[in-house]
Amino acid sequence: EPEVTQTPSHQVTQMGQEVILRCVPISNHLYFYWYRQILGQKVEFLVSFYNNEISEKSEIFDDQFSVERPDGSNFTLKIRSTKLEDSAMYFCASRAARAANSPLHFGNGTRLTVT
Amino acid sequence: KQEVTQIPAALSVPEGENLVLNCSFTDSAIYNLQWFRQDPGKGLTSLLLIQSSQREQTSGRLNASLDKSSGRSTLYIAASQPGDSATYLCAEDSNYQLIWGAGTKLIIKP
Repeated sequence: EPEVTQTPSHQVTQMGQEVILRCVPISNHLYFYWYRQILGQKVEFLVSFYNNEISEKSEIFDDQFSVERPDGSNFTLKIRSTKLEDSAMYFCASRAARAANSPLHFGNGTRLTVT
Repeated sequence: KQEVTQIPAALSVPEGENLVLNCSFTDSAIYNLQWFRQDPGKGLTSLLLIQSSQREQTSGRLNASLDKSSGRSTLYIAASQPGDSATYLCAEDSNYQLIWGAGTKLIIKP
């Protein structure tokens, strides 16, 4: 069964550094998402992406964050200058259609640790 | 503000028991509700999706129900097994973003 893949599984970085989290969505999916889960807290929506542009973003997704689909397969989340509070599990997701019967499929996540 | 609540936060039962996990949501205009499983340090595995027009969905030993009028969904697990031990999350999809509950941590004792 097709799946969403994320790399790396774990990233450690120093405060102030830039990080890029990578995702390969399911190949025929059109809608892409990033969510994050701070340890012990709820999963939170960051951003949705369709047709090469951001369709929605949350308050968390400030100017430090950006997303890109540089080619036909990858979907990346960049954090320009990481802060300690960016430490979290970041999940990429994709869905085939923006429809009530279209489930989101998630990757296994990237655990980001900012020191 | 949309809110999703899951009760209980944790549950420990002996193997073989049937059990019910609860999820309540405040937004009556949902498109669907999804149940996920999360193993420690791992990703989010979709279990069931119930569209707003549906009352329930079944997959194997799992059955999820949806009552929009009361803002509630339940996940029923039949004949529980130690391999069912995980955190179960519900998420409501009301604007093509998922709003998540905090999860129920389930432990099935052999």
